[in-house]
Amino acid sequence: SSELTQDPAVSVALGQTVRITCQGDSLRSNFASWYHQKPGQAPVLVMYGKNDRPSGIPDRFSGSSSGNIASLTITGAQAEDEGDYYCNSRDSGGNHLEVFGGGTRLTVL
Amino acid sequence: QVQLVQSGSELKKPGASVRVYCKASGYTFRNYDMNWVRQAPGKGLEYIGWINTRTGNPTYAQGFTGRFVFSLDTSVSTAYLQISSLKAEDTAVYYCARDYFDASGLHPWGQGTLVIVSS
Repeated sequence: SSELTQDPAVSVALGQTVRITCQGDSLRSNFASWYHQKPGQAPVLVMYGKNDRPSGIPDRFSGSSSGNIASLTITGAQAEDEGDYYCNSRDSGGNHLEVFGGGTRLTVL
Repeated sequence: QVQLVQSGSELKKPGASVRVYCKASGYTFRNYDMNWVRQAPGKGLEYIGWINTRTGNPTYAQGFTGRFVFSLDTSVSTAYLQISSLKAEDTAVYYCARDYFDASGLHPWGQGTLVIVSS
């Protein structure tokens, strides 16, 4: 099965821009989705497809992809953006299975 | 609104079985496949597999065949996860999560069910 690799931790100053990346072979043929998880809560989808946000997700979140690397960018990070971010995509095996990255802990300073 | 509500926390002994339910509301249950994900304490998300809500056909990720079984009761828009021969390393929060659109992520998620396996 495929694997997705994320940096374990990233920090950003309040109001600044931060990019969180995700690398894996499955991203060459599948879009990444991104989730934000706060302590004690379920993950929330914040980005999917080429660069699409579910209803209610602020437009400071954006996504991009190149080759086997997908990125989630937060422009003007807010305190409430702190938490864990996970990427995921369909597995390249063609069986509808999903694969998750290990997660990135975002700290807003 | 679209919502997934899961059953409450469980405390089980090693070797026992547990069944977690996930009740959907706010949409047509059979139109979207259901996924199961777990998260061990302090760890990341681990994908267990998915079930086709039209046919009931389950597909399990590597490492989750045999002891993990998905099922449905479409009459009450509910998906089930049963785990048998529980081990201490199965201690985790178990989430159900609906396909958002095809290959477009998982949304929404249930609130999670904590399963603790301890003697």
